[in-house]
Amino acid sequence: DAGVIQSPRHEVTEMGQEVTLRCKPISGHDYLFWYRQTMMRGLELLIYFNNNVPIDDSGMPEDRFSAKMPNASFSTLKIQPSEPRDSAVYFCASTQGETQYFGPGTRLLVL
Amino acid sequence: SQQGEEDPQALSIQEGGNATMNCSYKTSINNLQWYRQNSGRGLVHLILIRSNEREKHSGRLRVTLDTSKKSSSLLITASRAADTASYFCATDSNDYKLSFGAGTTVTVRA
Repeated sequence: DAGVIQSPRHEVTEMGQEVTLRCKPISGHDYLFWYRQTMMRGLELLIYFNNNVPIDDSGMPEDRFSAKMPNASFSTLKIQPSEPRDSAVYFCASTQGETQYFGPGTRLLVL
Repeated sequence: SQQGEEDPQALSIQEGGNATMNCSYKTSINNLQWYRQNSGRGLVHLILIRSNEREKHSGRLRVTLDTSKKSSSLLITASRAADTASYFCATDSNDYKLSFGAGTTVTVRA
């Protein structure tokens, strides 16, 4: 298996623009997690899905953030409109048990 | 919110030496895991220890867990340059949702 795949790897955008991050989990994994990592706040859980259903989105910072999982092999995290404080590395992880497998991350810079 | 807190924040060791880092957490757990993150990469799982276990080994890694003190330690023996990374503890209280600490940055000097 290729592991968790994320795209794009890097994204530079201007404040106010819409940003869409994509994730393909490992085949057969029924949990998918979205994290954000910054120097100031460390690794934060934003939202997670079980069998494509959102279970806990309490970590989503505000209404500008939304996440979907239309099928077992694809998820998106959307920020609209983006702000400079959204600059961070966004990770997707998947699991079918207790160990989480992380993607390489998307480094987002909002100017 | 972060459940675990690693200590120290950073450490530097000579190649071949041992590195020890600690993790403290606040609430009861099902298990505790350690992950490694190399610069610019995603986190990689290293080892999992369950709440009813006290010690676990995996290659050059040794993990201990003291649930009475709500703390864990990770020991890396015979360190190598490739061990240079950040190390995170993560606690699992329910439904595979993990809470990560702030991490310990380890630098192995040649």
